[in-house]
Amino acid sequence: QVQLVQSGAEVKKPGASVKVSCKASGNTFTSYDINWVRQAAGQGPEWMGWMSPNSGKTEYAQEFQGRVTMTRNTSISTAYMELNSLRSEDTAVYYCARISRAAGHAMDVWGQGTTVTVSS
Amino acid sequence: EIVLTQSPGTLSLSPGERATLSCRASQTVTSTYLAWYQQKPGQPPRLLIYGASSRATGVPDRFSGSGSGTGFTLTIGRLEPEDFAVYYCQQYGRTFGQGTKVEIK
Repeated sequence: QVQLVQSGAEVKKPGASVKVSCKASGNTFTSYDINWVRQAAGQGPEWMGWMSPNSGKTEYAQEFQGRVTMTRNTSISTAYMELNSLRSEDTAVYYCARISRAAGHAMDVWGQGTTVTVSS
Repeated sequence: EIVLTQSPGTLSLSPGERATLSCRASQTVTSTYLAWYQQKPGQPPRLLIYGASSRATGVPDRFSGSGSGTGFTLTIGRLEPEDFAVYYCQQYGRTFGQGTKVEIK
């Protein structure tokens, strides 16, 4: 059973950067693309972008262009999402999720979430 | 960009009742790429339905999805206590609707 395990909660000051990791169990890391999604308290999920662990190709949502970078380290089956120039509105739970092309690009396996708090 | 609008915002029902949730798209969505998720407090979303009508692994058959084009529906046949949650539709692994909360009446 594939699992995605994310790094722990972060508290950052406005203007700082945060880097969240997402480690995949099993040996299928490069077989599935990864979405990053965030969710502010009481709000619906918001898609941030996706990355192919196989090729490193990325696509970012327009809202995050220039502020987000998604990378991976295939030797340790880990994906990363870095968000720069943090502001209070970036306070949210950040999730990585596996994209299933067989399921129409739906996300069938999710990480547990990483809470990022931006506060002065 | 496709906008997904879900209705109602909140659905107040009793266990055993039938729930019907709607998701309307601002443009035609290919059914292949329409998914439904369930989310409970403190948990990530859970995939219920993909391809508009296919149940994900382990999802009970009281959950069913239908629709095409710009109108999609998630139906919960008979509500169980564990079904009270927030439900989101999503297209192409990207845009989410704002959610429908199914609460106990």
